[in-house]
Amino acid sequence: QSVLPQPPSASGTPGQRVTISCSGSTSNIGTNSVNWYQQVPGTAPKLLIYSDNHRPSGVPDRFSGSRSGTSASLAISGLQSEDEADYYCAAWDDSLNGVVFGGGTKLTVL
Amino acid sequence: QVQLVQSGAELKKPGASVKISCKASGFPFTNYYIHWVRQARGQGPEWMGIINPRGDFTTYAQQFQGRVSMTRDTSTTTVYMEVNSLTSEDTAMYYCARDRQSSSWTNSLDPWGQGTLVTVSS
Repeated sequence: QSVLPQPPSASGTPGQRVTISCSGSTSNIGTNSVNWYQQVPGTAPKLLIYSDNHRPSGVPDRFSGSRSGTSASLAISGLQSEDEADYYCAAWDDSLNGVVFGGGTKLTVL
Repeated sequence: QVQLVQSGAELKKPGASVKISCKASGFPFTNYYIHWVRQARGQGPEWMGIINPRGDFTTYAQQFQGRVSMTRDTSTTTVYMEVNSLTSEDTAMYYCARDRQSSSWTNSLDPWGQGTLVTVSS
């Protein structure tokens, strides 16, 4: 069981808006900022959102992040077929003294 | 461009050690922290630890303390990670990744190396 539970799957049709949740605790998301990664099967993860809601250069503004209390979420609007991938949340955990990752959410574009 | 290129796949027997390299280019090597992350097949990533820009400070995840060592060579802009006492549970893809921000430890990993597959089997 992951320290940061995520729904194992999510889906949507092209053009739709999809949200992916990430649940934590006071030792991680409740205290520290959240990052989100996108991983296309067979490739390395790619930073998608950092510090809760900031996009690295080159990431479309269709992707947005938020954090409230001990939970965080990733929203993808205007869903495209190329968004089909695994998505992971991550945060520093003060109790474990390390970065913890979510179990991942597999996004399918129908 | 900013790039991290890792060494090739490894096949090891249980009890052996493995040392993986991560060659950096395209950015000032001595300004950035480097993380190591592994990912077993079908699982989420697992953070292993971090080494500071000068290579004189490391922090390892609790489950790897005493079994993992991270070093860096400024002259070749290469970071290394060695894992000892391998078991079948160490079979995974291992990634190096740069911290996103210069001279800071932010835990935002960008970019990542291409990965090194380590297989532990008798």
